Amino acid sequence: AQTVTQSQPEMSVQEAETVTLSCTYDTSENNYYLFWYKQPPSRQMILVIRQEAYKQQNATENRFSVNFQKAAKSFSLKISDSQLGDTAMYFCAFMKGSMGGGSNYKLTFGKGTLLTVNP
Amino acid sequence: DAGVTQSPTHLIKTRGQQVTLRCSPKSGHDTVSWYQQALGQGPQFIFQYYEEEERQRGNFPDRFSGHQFPNYSSELNVNALLLGDSALYLCASSLVSGRAPEQFFGPGTRLTVL
Repeated sequence: AQTVTQSQPEMSVQEAETVTLSCTYDTSENNYYLFWYKQPPSRQMILVIRQEAYKQQNATENRFSVNFQKAAKSFSLKISDSQLGDTAMYFCAFMKGSMGGGSNYKLTFGKGTLLTVNP
Repeated sequence: DAGVTQSPTHLIKTRGQQVTLRCSPKSGHDTVSWYQQALGQGPQFIFQYYEEEERQRGNFPDRFSGHQFPNYSSELNVNALLLGDSALYLCASSLVSGRAPEQFFGPGTRLTVL
């Protein structure tokens, strides 16, 4: 069974600064995907960024980037130029991959990190 | 393009009652997954439906059951409600043949059991 651990229950950052959220996971799978989801106070879960385990290059989406360390089973999220709208719960999640690519397996989530961006 | 929709938004029930929650997937998606999110916790996988059959199931009792209709929409049923069933219930849709394995989430149904 897979587990996902987010060791920072809460974090805060000043607007325009950079913050890094930590995530570690445990799995015996070699083919998998990792995700960061954002859940604002309005509660709709939104995908922030995705990383395929077979890709060595770290994923980047505008101000969001990840540091994927496969051997260490670590998957941190860096948010640059933080904005007030980034205030939300951030969840790290794991999904096992399918043979031949893609996946339709379940997501396993961490407990989340509440990020507050201060003006 | 409509995203994932869920109804109702909020629901209040008493212990022992039964409840049905509904989900319509994102246009073009054929798979629906249900998650339970207790207050202050990450979502926990309940089950997944594809081709009108339950394909995967998490560690939830048989009181939790579901259904998928030919139009891919889905229902989550919970019988004999317990206080511990109070949670946000999230529906997520995806495409089984898709190369990108994202699951798109709905806004959720907040269930309160008194």
